[in-house]
Amino acid sequence: SQQGEEDPQALSIQEGENATMNCSYKTSINNLQWYRQNSGRGLVHLILIRSNEREKHSGRLRVTLDTSKKSSSLLITASRAADTASYFCATDGRTGGFKTIFGAGTRLFVKA
Amino acid sequence: DVKVTQSSRYLVKRTGEKVFLECVQDMDHENMFWYRQDPGLGLRLIYFSYDVKMKEKGDIPEGYSVSREKKERFSLILESASTNQTSMYLCASNRAGRNQPQHFGDGTRLSIL
Repeated sequence: SQQGEEDPQALSIQEGENATMNCSYKTSINNLQWYRQNSGRGLVHLILIRSNEREKHSGRLRVTLDTSKKSSSLLITASRAADTASYFCATDGRTGGFKTIFGAGTRLFVKA
Repeated sequence: DVKVTQSSRYLVKRTGEKVFLECVQDMDHENMFWYRQDPGLGLRLIYFSYDVKMKEKGDIPEGYSVSREKKERFSLILESASTNQTSMYLCASNRAGRNQPQHFGDGTRLSIL
């Protein structure tokens, strides 16, 4: 069963615009992570937000976490063509030991 | 930087063959993972290992086994390959403990004919 579910499944924007992707999850978490995957490559870790944090920034990335709504969002500001990739949220639950559960991902297309 | 290396980017095998996928990490990570990735399904955990010779089943272990004889190496074995095991296989590793991001290899795209 999927813990994290991203929305939308696909997003197409123009270069320079902001891209927002959302993630919902079902059970209590220790942390939520966002990963990026370029076509044909492995996942690259972008940012981790702990369950007691509400917002975190890293360069052009801004992540928010609302544990009451069991949701998170990833905002990429001033997008570039090189941001074209799939983005996954992943959660580490409060139970279940080592298990990180990944969502199905949002495919982002940034048009030059 | 952490490097996770998967032995093959592309692999084509026949139904019934025994298939080995190898993964090596160079950062002395305690945990290692094998996932498969299929369109629309995200990543699904096959097996993971938290120490040498230790393994735990993930969500979809059927038809697979693993081996971890050395800390840096984690092997995935398809005992008798079937066409429904055609997929992208991703290996990852991380340090023990909470809030540790996983580091991924570039994946092996496996086709079973």
